[in-house]
Amino acid sequence: DTAVSQTPKYLVTQMGNDKSIKCEQNLGHDTMYWYKQDSKKFLKIMFSYNNKELIINETVPNRFSPKSPDKAHLNLHINSLELGDSAVYFCASSQGDREGEKLFFGSGTQLSVL
Amino acid sequence: AQSVTQPDIHITVSEGASLELRCNYSYGATPYLFWYVQSPGQGLQLLLKYFSGDTLVQGIKGFEAEFKRSQSSFNLRKPSVHWSDAAEYFCAVGSGTALIFGKGTTLSVSS
Repeated sequence: DTAVSQTPKYLVTQMGNDKSIKCEQNLGHDTMYWYKQDSKKFLKIMFSYNNKELIINETVPNRFSPKSPDKAHLNLHINSLELGDSAVYFCASSQGDREGEKLFFGSGTQLSVL
Repeated sequence: AQSVTQPDIHITVSEGASLELRCNYSYGATPYLFWYVQSPGQGLQLLLKYFSGDTLVQGIKGFEAEFKRSQSSFNLRKPSVHWSDAAEYFCAVGSGTALIFGKGTTLSVSS
């Protein structure tokens, strides 16, 4: 009965490929996020959606495109993958988009670009 | 600009000993402050958070943290560490909707 689930857990692919990571939350939350954790474990916000609308879009290459078909899902599509995209990507959700909300995280997708 | 600094990259503590993980923040207003824990291969779990009120905050798993405005610190403590506490610990400050995380402190527990 996972609250925030993301698939796949591991993704190994070649440079130049296009891949997607899916995220779903069953908490009834309005806001969802994508965070990237690099090899030094540094976590940085990439995107945030509230009720399917983009509210945060940090300085991320436009090869990364989030898609929110409904408020329970936030998928991340990556075009033309590069070596530097290798990282762990975490999906998260929160009740709303006010400051100080508790975030619920998925278990991460480890992306390895060869 | 908002930022979070965790000065200790790696700490080793004996099982049963006390623990303090340091966190310093930079924020223009009264911050929302958080501690999250990440077990190997898992996502992050909230241990505790602070915004206002009592500066000593109790969290889950026996953790507590103390907010000290004068020192811009929000250190995490536990009186007696268990082997299962070995994990990565992240301090974070709320910045609008998103969180700004520190670089984490890896806690190892020795027997």
